[in-house]
Amino acid sequence: NAGVTQTPKFRVLKTGQSMTLLCAQDMNHEYMYWYRQDPGMGLRLIHYSVGEGTTAKGEVPDGYNVSRLKKQNFLLGLESAAPSQTSVYFCASRQGQLYTGELFFGEGSRLTVL
Amino acid sequence: AQSVTQPDIHITVSEGASLELRCNYSYGATPYLFWYVQSPGQGLQLLLKYFSGDTLVQGIKGFEAEFKRSQSSFNLRKPSVHWSDAAEYFCAVGAGSSASKIIFGSGTRLSIRP
Repeated sequence: NAGVTQTPKFRVLKTGQSMTLLCAQDMNHEYMYWYRQDPGMGLRLIHYSVGEGTTAKGEVPDGYNVSRLKKQNFLLGLESAAPSQTSVYFCASRQGQLYTGELFFGEGSRLTVL
Repeated sequence: AQSVTQPDIHITVSEGASLELRCNYSYGATPYLFWYVQSPGQGLQLLLKYFSGDTLVQGIKGFEAEFKRSQSSFNLRKPSVHWSDAAEYFCAVGAGSSASKIIFGSGTRLSIRP
């Protein structure tokens, strides 16, 4: 029972480098989300998707891009990493319109930008 | 745009005492409301949710929450806390026809005094 899987789990980048976080879910969920968690700030929504081929901005989208080419995958990209993007990133998924329900979270990806 | 405020950053209660964690939301339409818990080093787990109907919602682990539209609040309560309840608690609000955009509060860290 994989659920929501995030890769990589840890990554250290230098300022200006690029990287992609992969989120994969095997529950056939329609909706997928990327959040970042920072001390004292809770979880802040970066981008989300309500279906394959769709994406939408969340609260803090600047500096990030996303793609949902396949229903099961949601990619989060950093084109030019900055120290302010040091954070723990969580992916989540849930069923769609008819099943307004709980988010299933991945284990998180800890990113450090030097 | 919706928003969530959790005014208490950190609360300490004695084991066996009652607990109330505050949550205030801002959203123009009927909100979808959630409480999640995050134990140290863990992902988030749904405690309970409110979509409609009875304003007193029962959740897992003996938690309940009451939706008060007039006060824009969704406070979490537990009559008697256990040491295992020490964790961080997040209130969240969903907006849109199927609560597709889910915004979290900044969290309240709960400590339990033996």
